[in-house]
Amino acid sequence: DGGITQSPKYLFRKEGQNVTLSCEQNLNHDAMYWYRQDPGQGLRLIYYSQIVNDFQKGDIAEGYSVSREKKESFPLTVTSAQKNPTAFYLCASKGAVTDTQYFGPGTRLTVL
Amino acid sequence: DAKTTQPPSMDCAEGRAANLPCNHSTISGNEYVYWYRQIHSQGPQYIIHGLKNNETNEMASLIITEDRKSSTLILPHATLRDTAVYYCIVSLAEYNFNKFYFGSGTKLNVKP
Repeated sequence: DGGITQSPKYLFRKEGQNVTLSCEQNLNHDAMYWYRQDPGQGLRLIYYSQIVNDFQKGDIAEGYSVSREKKESFPLTVTSAQKNPTAFYLCASKGAVTDTQYFGPGTRLTVL
Repeated sequence: DAKTTQPPSMDCAEGRAANLPCNHSTISGNEYVYWYRQIHSQGPQYIIHGLKNNETNEMASLIITEDRKSSTLILPHATLRDTAVYYCIVSLAEYNFNKFYFGSGTKLNVKP
């Protein structure tokens, strides 16, 4: 079954802890993205990667880090430096043969 | 920053056509118009995209004005399951990669 998976669906963390969100795709897409969504708002780009071992900051990268060691995986770490991490996090990917991005189901992070 | 303007909400009666407008007056010649929708707490779902010709698929039709400064997404026979937030996005469709900026979208309420 092809697609993008994100885990876990819900995540709780204590203030001051780092947490890593998983994003995996088996679509053979080169580009992958992380977005953040706050209630009632649109998505904002955190980081993106056009190819393995390369990634760039998006519009709101402060307090986040990523890695892209494998084509199918693009994990996002929310660090303790992120001042307001409670949000809905969405991962997406895009391949060469498609003009558009495909999104995963999202992870809802709550900081207690 | 989002390059599009959409009304915050619209209502539509079930079974009728839903026409969702989008203004993108600063669109450049090689930027595509994309439409996505997001049902509450899920990842955005791709609907349709186009450059300058009208497009139709099994989900919807996209009408782009001749000057390309605005477009309309048409859901021909809206159902209750079409209730969602609809996002209009303009972006280059580069090989292997594109970058999306999401606005706040239009909340479509389909009523029985």
